[in-house]
Amino acid sequence: GQNIDQPTEMTATEGAIVQINCTYQTSGFNGLFWYQQHAGEAPTFLSYNVLDGLEEKGRFSSFLSRSKGYSYLLLKELQMKDSASYLCAVQGTYKYIFGTGTRLKVLA
Amino acid sequence: ETGVTQTPRHLVMGMTNKKSLKCEQHLGHNAMYWYKQSAKKPLELMFVYSLEERVENNSVPSRFSPECPNSSHLFLHLHTLQPEDSALYLCASSLHATSGNYNEQFFGPGTRLTVL
Repeated sequence: GQNIDQPTEMTATEGAIVQINCTYQTSGFNGLFWYQQHAGEAPTFLSYNVLDGLEEKGRFSSFLSRSKGYSYLLLKELQMKDSASYLCAVQGTYKYIFGTGTRLKVLA
Repeated sequence: ETGVTQTPRHLVMGMTNKKSLKCEQHLGHNAMYWYKQSAKKPLELMFVYSLEERVENNSVPSRFSPECPNSSHLFLHLHTLQPEDSALYLCASSLHATSGNYNEQFFGPGTRLTVL
């Protein structure tokens, strides 16, 4: 079957670094996306990985290992506004398979 | 208007009502999607349309009926829903429906549906 696993909740302190892990088992793979979703709002795009390695974009970085079916999202210099859900999604042929999302709480 | 818009933002309906959700994208995309988002569950893909043709129906009950009159508009017609259908319904669009390359989805703000 197809499955994406990520932790349900994480808590971190303002200014710290947090790593959100995602493992996946899917029948097709055309890339992995990370989305951010604030409560009551639409998911918004954060990053995309299709090749192994690290993609850096400002305070956010995302890593992919296709052989291990593993990705992580790294958030540096956490800010209060980073409190949100982070969704890991694998792009298949027609389908995008989403994880349940990780709810991140940033504490002052 | 820019991006992906959805109306209404909130909807309360009885089990015997008929209502419709509307989605519009202003991005020139060829593919549109309906997702259901329930608490503590992954986003569930419901339907995929590519150039107004349905290309994916993810075993969705017939009480949900999609319609795509053109590549910019997508509807979800609802009738005789159940309380467990209460959820956030998200519309999304992307440049293509199928691609071996980067194909980011852009989401609308969603319709919060409550079925009494």
